Amino acid sequence: TQTVSQSDAHVTVFEGDSVELRCNYSYGGSIYLSWYIQHHGHGLQFLLKYYSGNPVVQGVNGFEAEFSKSDSSFHLRKASVHWSDSAVYFCAVSASSAGNKLTFGIGTRVLVRP
Amino acid sequence: AQTIHQWPVAEIKAVGSPLSLGCTIKGKSSPNLYWYWQATGGTLQQLFYSITVGQVESVVQLNLSASRPKDDQFILSTEKLLLSHSGFYLCAWSPGQAFSAETLYFGSGTRLTVL
Repeated sequence: TQTVSQSDAHVTVFEGDSVELRCNYSYGGSIYLSWYIQHHGHGLQFLLKYYSGNPVVQGVNGFEAEFSKSDSSFHLRKASVHWSDSAVYFCAVSASSAGNKLTFGIGTRVLVRP
Repeated sequence: AQTIHQWPVAEIKAVGSPLSLGCTIKGKSSPNLYWYWQATGGTLQQLFYSITVGQVESVVQLNLSASRPKDDQFILSTEKLLLSHSGFYLCAWSPGQAFSAETLYFGSGTRLTVL
C-alpha cells in the first residue's frame, strides 16, 4: 500500500519569496509521484510528475520538484511566488502495482501575501 | 484539445432524495475515468474508476454507484442521499494507457450540500 504525507498544512509567504512544500511517501516498488494545485472552488490541475530519470523535474509556472529515494521525498519548490500561487497543493503517488489508484496527501494550503 | 465538463456546478438536496452527477469528456477516445470525493478542506478520496464502457470498479463504499453508459460519459448516482455525502465531487480522466493513473485531468467539480 502506498502512502503519502504532507507535513505542512499551511504555509504563508510573501510575494517574491521562495517556497518549498514537503512531500514524503512510503512504498517499496516503482511509483509515480506528482503534484497538483487546487484553487479555491475549482478542480485540481496537474503541475508535474516523476517516474524515473533526472530527479529534478520542471513543471508549469516555474514550479519544480526533486525526487529523493534515500529520503523518500518529492518536495515542490518555486523560487519566486506570485499572489496567484495561493492555493492548495496536493502531492500524489501512484504505484504501478496498484492499478488505477492515485493516492493524494492531505494538501498544503499556501497563502501568498502582497 | 480535450475538454471535461461536469454538471451540475452545485446542488442542494434533502437527505433521502436521489442524486445524479455527470461528467463528459470530449476530444479523447477511450479515456480512463474517475470519480473523487473531497470533504470541505480535506483530501481527495477515489470513489470509482472505469477503463471502458460498461465497466466500473468501486474503490470505496459510500452508498454511491457509478456507471459509464458511453465512452465519453461517467455518471455518479444514489437513490438516497445521506448527510455524509456533502462535499465536492470531482470527475477526472487519464489517457488510458498502462500506468495511466500517473496524470489525471480534472473537471471543475460539483459542490453538493445535503440538508
